[in-house]
Amino acid sequence: QSVLTQPPSASGTPGQRVTISCSGSSSNIGTNAVNWYQQLPGTAPKLLIYTNNQRPSGVPDRFSASKSGTSASLAISGLQSEDEADYYCATWDDSLNGPVFGGGTKLTVL
Amino acid sequence: QVQLQESGPGLVKPSETLSLTCTVSGGSISDYYWNWIRQPPGKGLEWIGYIFYSGSSNYNPSLRSRVTISFDTSKKQFSLKLTSVTAADTAVYYCASVRNNWFDPWGQGALVTVSS
Repeated sequence: QSVLTQPPSASGTPGQRVTISCSGSSSNIGTNAVNWYQQLPGTAPKLLIYTNNQRPSGVPDRFSASKSGTSASLAISGLQSEDEADYYCATWDDSLNGPVFGGGTKLTVL
Repeated sequence: QVQLQESGPGLVKPSETLSLTCTVSGGSISDYYWNWIRQPPGKGLEWIGYIFYSGSSNYNPSLRSRVTISFDTSKKQFSLKLTSVTAADTAVYYCASVRNNWFDPWGQGALVTVSS
């Protein structure tokens, strides 16, 4: 059971916009920045979004994210087949005194 | 630019100790926290712990009694030891660096299977 809650799956057709939610609590998302990671099949996770809504260089602006209260969300617009991957949210948890991850959301491009 | 590479045995017997090493290339070792993260087959990510080059460390409470992470500054390597392993410890083990509160970059991962 993950500290952060994500839907196990999401899907969309090419060109669509999809969102993935991440729910936490006051000890994690409520007080700390959220980061998102993309894990393509058979590869290591890669940083996708940092500090709630910042994109590292090289990440397309189709990817955006936000945080409000104890929840965060990742949005992917103009969905492409190459976006099919697992997506994880993560943040620091003050109660556990360590980083925590969401359970991951498997995105399928139909 | 920091690059990370895991190495170690891919098969460990139950009750024995899992040992992995992560070799760091590029970057300054004093600028980062050095982490281990694991992912059981078909499951999500679990943070194991981190070490700073000075030796200070922090571990996931759920694994603290079995985990030791150490750093060899001369070799620019940090290591993971997990004792008394069971089948539940079968996973891909990743090393990853943290400089500004996010994991980046990650190593490619090393699959460790616990089986007799």
